[in-house]
Amino acid sequence: EVQLLESGGGSVQPGESLRLSCAASEFILSNYGMNWVRQAPDKGLEWVAGVRRSGDFTYYADSVEGRFTISRDYSKNTLFLQMDSLRAEDTAIYYCATYYYDNSGGRAFDNWGQGTLVTVSS
Amino acid sequence: DIQLTQSPSFLSASVGDRITIACRASQGISRYLAWYQQKPGKAPKLLIYGASTLQSGVPSRFSGSGSGTEFTLTISGLQPEDFATYYCLQLNSYPLTFGGGTTVEIK
Repeated sequence: EVQLLESGGGSVQPGESLRLSCAASEFILSNYGMNWVRQAPDKGLEWVAGVRRSGDFTYYADSVEGRFTISRDYSKNTLFLQMDSLRAEDTAIYYCATYYYDNSGGRAFDNWGQGTLVTVSS
Repeated sequence: DIQLTQSPSFLSASVGDRITIACRASQGISRYLAWYQQKPGKAPKLLIYGASTLQSGVPSRFSGSGSGTEFTLTISGLQPEDFATYYCLQLNSYPLTFGGGTTVEIK
């Protein structure tokens, strides 16, 4: 069974940095496109960043472009989200998710971690 | 950017009811739309992808339809465990976007 485990969340002040990790077990993370999705307290879901399976392309939401960086370490089978210049509005639960696609045009985030909470406050 | 508008935002229903949730895209997204169910304190769960393909293990009372800009999620015979918040997600183009969510509560 595919399992994703996020870690690295915590409380920081505005302007500080944090690096989130998403460790994969029972599958090879590099075989999948990966994404980060966040959810602010009592709010809806917001896509944050994605990386293609090949690793050659990364994508970001406008709200985090230039401040967040998605990457992965193949040797550790882990996905990362480096978050710099954090703002109060970045406060949220952050989820990592695998990107599924098939030859019939099906696309989805099919496996999700349990999430890690990031709080940005002075 | 593609905007997804879900309606209604809130829905009150009874066990056994048939309900429909709509998701409208601001521009055509073919059938690159997925539906998720989320319960409090839990990660979202994939229900439907490709607008109408049921994810493995999801009960057949869930169904999806639509293409282009208009999509619907239908639950036929609402069960107690179906009371949750539902989101649509477009995967046609970046930035990927979610709908605002529909909360289904017990009447």
